[in-house]
Amino acid sequence: DQQVKQNSPSLSVQEGRISILNCDYTNSMFDYFLWYKKYPAEGPTFLISISSIKDKNEDGRFTVFLNKSAKHLSLHIVPSQPGDSAVYFCAARSNTGNQFYFGTGTSLTVIP
Amino acid sequence: GAGVSQSPSNKVTEKGKDVELRCDPISGHTALYWYRQSLGQGLEFLIYFQGNSAPDKSGLPSDRFSAERTGGSVSTLTIQRTQQEDSAVYLCASSLRIGLGYQETQYFGPGTRLLVL
Repeated sequence: DQQVKQNSPSLSVQEGRISILNCDYTNSMFDYFLWYKKYPAEGPTFLISISSIKDKNEDGRFTVFLNKSAKHLSLHIVPSQPGDSAVYFCAARSNTGNQFYFGTGTSLTVIP
Repeated sequence: GAGVSQSPSNKVTEKGKDVELRCDPISGHTALYWYRQSLGQGLEFLIYFQGNSAPDKSGLPSDRFSAERTGGSVSTLTIQRTQQEDSAVYLCASSLRIGLGYQETQYFGPGTRLLVL
């Protein structure tokens, strides 16, 4: 049962444009959400997080938006750079649980 | 830097053999997680250790899988009588989880790529 879903397996964006990666979840108990970036042959690295008390969190070029009523979060990267090309995973957890639930990832390609 | 390390980086084994995968977490991190990622899939939670508490084993797929964490630091994931469907990347992560865990960030190792022939 996939509680966190990333329905777009891949995305291509021109350098300088905005990249928007989407993630949906089903468990209303989730209250902490994260985005990770993964390069080939490396482990995921933390990018940005948001707790359910917020609807937006920004860190430089990266902004995460949370829509609790829709159970949807998105990651915006502006402007996109070729070095952003990687697989992006969203993850979620409830504060009463131990495990993080991960999506299947979206492979982003930023075209120079 | 002193990140999470895992060994071996790659492991090829024959069906039916036992394997041990090692994880060295970041020093001082109280929480340690094991995940696996099969081809085309997301990260699948396996087991969670937090301090001296009993581990959360709810993600282990069968009794062939076990893990231990000695002295609150190094962890070993053991797979007995390996099967071809065990082939995956096994990832370890550690974190400093405080209280309810808000702002908890997991730091991942590079993973062990296991291939069962």
